[in-house]
Amino acid sequence: DAGVIQSPRHEVTEMGQEVTLRCKPISGHNSLFWYRQTMMRGLELLIYFNNNVPIDDSGMPEDRFSAKMPNASFSTLKIQPSEPRDSAVYFCASSDPGNTIYFGEGSWLTVV
Amino acid sequence: KNEVEQSPQNLTAQEGEFITINCSYSVGISALHWLQQHPGGGIVSLFMLSSGKKKHGRLIATINIQEKHSSLHITASHPRDSAVYICAANAGGAQKLVFGQGTRLTINP
Repeated sequence: DAGVIQSPRHEVTEMGQEVTLRCKPISGHNSLFWYRQTMMRGLELLIYFNNNVPIDDSGMPEDRFSAKMPNASFSTLKIQPSEPRDSAVYFCASSDPGNTIYFGEGSWLTVV
Repeated sequence: KNEVEQSPQNLTAQEGEFITINCSYSVGISALHWLQQHPGGGIVSLFMLSSGKKKHGRLIATINIQEKHSSLHITASHPRDSAVYICAANAGGAQKLVFGQGTRLTINP
């Protein structure tokens, strides 16, 4: 398996623009997580899905952030409008029923 | 106070030394994870454990549920072990992880 696949790997965008991050989890994994990592706050959970259903979105910072999982093989995290403080590395991860977690390579977002 | 605390925050050692990184947590957990993050950012799961000890190559992870404490040990450390090691817990039976702040390990040749 290719692992958890994220795109884009790097994105630089201007403040106010919409940003869409994409994730393909490992086939057969029933849980998908979106994390954000910054120097100041470390790794934080934004939202996670079980069987494509959002379970906990309490980490989503504000209404500018939204996430969807239309099917078992695809998820998006959208920021609209983006702000400089959204600059971070966004990780998608998936886990199997045994709860071992596998991370994608991350999407490095810079909002200028 | 964070629910998951790691120590030390930074650790520098010489090649060959025995390394210990500690993790304490204040909540009930169903499992504890040790993660490794190399420069360049990729995160790899090293261990997931809920009791006892696990070993993989030169890495050993232990957990003491009563004391709410886990340790990650590296034997015969090597410069390629240089990375940030992150402790994370499944708190209260939830699938989401609560993270420690990470330990930056540097092994000098």
